[in-house]
Amino acid sequence: SQTIHQWPATLVQPVGSPLSLECTVEGTSNPNLYWYRQAAGRGLQLLFYSVGIGQISSEVPQNLSASRPQDRQFILSSKKLLLSDSGFYLCAWREQNKYEQYFGPGTRLTVT
Amino acid sequence: GEDVEQSLFLSVREGDSSVINCTYTDSSSTYLYWYKQEPGAGLQLLTYIFSNMDMKQDQRLTVLLNKKDKHLSLRIADTQTGDSAIYFCAESTVDDKLTFGTGTRLAVRP
Repeated sequence: SQTIHQWPATLVQPVGSPLSLECTVEGTSNPNLYWYRQAAGRGLQLLFYSVGIGQISSEVPQNLSASRPQDRQFILSSKKLLLSDSGFYLCAWREQNKYEQYFGPGTRLTVT
Repeated sequence: GEDVEQSLFLSVREGDSSVINCTYTDSSSTYLYWYKQEPGAGLQLLTYIFSNMDMKQDQRLTVLLNKKDKHLSLRIADTQTGDSAIYFCAESTVDDKLTFGTGTRLAVRP
């Protein structure tokens, strides 16, 4: 069966520090991968999605970036965090040609 | 443009039915989804419906779709305390990307 992992589960970082969040999927090949951010009390905002290794599409201009160095690994990064980057970051995956999108457990990021 | 709206809060008594509503604006939506989020957790896919269907039932869950009015609802029969969570509807449109509503917080009181 397929599983999706995210780490760390929680993170507290000072403003201006770098960020690296990791997401890995097991039990599937060549999935579509997604990064979402959920601000407190709000819905989900799609940040990036990827249909294959090295293929990244950005939805929102910001100081975040994403990379997909391996088929089932998706990384969210920042060189310098802002206070507004605080939130709950969710990774999701979907099999090609299927309609269900599944979410990871999320990373709670607090920028101080 | 894509916009998905939900009411923010719903309170029901344990054992009653809950109905969570959602409206969307993109008529090209192909699939519509319902997700459940418990505190501090990720989103759990509950069910989804293809846009050419009117209804889908899965155990205690019933999804109704009125494509003319762009209205989607989720009915939970015999609501339990474990159903307390935030429920998100989402639509899948171009490029199979999902647009989410702001979520409805369901509170189940004994």
